Amino acid sequence: ELKVEQNPLFLSMQEGKNYTIYCNYSTTSDRLYWYRQDPGKSLESLFVLLSNGAVKQEGRLMASLDTKARLSTLHITAAVHDLSATYFCASNTGNQFYFGTGTSLTVIP
Amino acid sequence: GAVVSQHPSRVICKSGTSVKIECRSLDFQATTMFWYRQFPKQSLMLMATSNEGSKATYEQGVEKDKFLINHASLTLSTLTVTSAHPEDSSFYICSATLGKHNQPQHFGDGTRLSIL
Repeated sequence: ELKVEQNPLFLSMQEGKNYTIYCNYSTTSDRLYWYRQDPGKSLESLFVLLSNGAVKQEGRLMASLDTKARLSTLHITAAVHDLSATYFCASNTGNQFYFGTGTSLTVIP
Repeated sequence: GAVVSQHPSRVICKSGTSVKIECRSLDFQATTMFWYRQFPKQSLMLMATSNEGSKATYEQGVEKDKFLINHASLTLSTLTVTSAHPEDSSFYICSATLGKHNQPQHFGDGTRLSIL
């Protein structure tokens, strides 16, 4: 079974600061997904990383994928309060998706 | 595009009743649908994978007689929680894909189930 581990589990940071969330996965899957979940809501797709070296950016979030290290990162630049949410990474084998433990992010004004 | 509608969004009912949750792909044909449950402050746990026209594949530890899944058409899958008890209270989320390998999942809005 594929294992997906995220760290940190909880993150509290001040507005304007930068931070990186890490996602390690245990198989040779070359695709990695990042999702955002607001309290009481379902998942919103942020990024789909399709190959080694892929980098995608949307606003203050940037995701990257290193398939050799089986590592993906989600970098937050100059955090703002609106980014407070839980972030999940997920990897897959075929159609089977496996989610990381989630990182609960709180941005403090 | 790729909208998944889940209904109802919130259910509160008494212990012992059965609850049906619907998951519909509105603008695409979903060969494969997934059902997850999520407890507070935890990640999503895959319950079962549902393919149109065949029996669902349940994950280890998920009772198939308790959680009945039907995927009768390419746009609709249902999850019925039978004889629900308070420990079944959770957030249930469905997702759908086109069925080809490595296609992204499109998630419904989730159903919050509370059993009294």
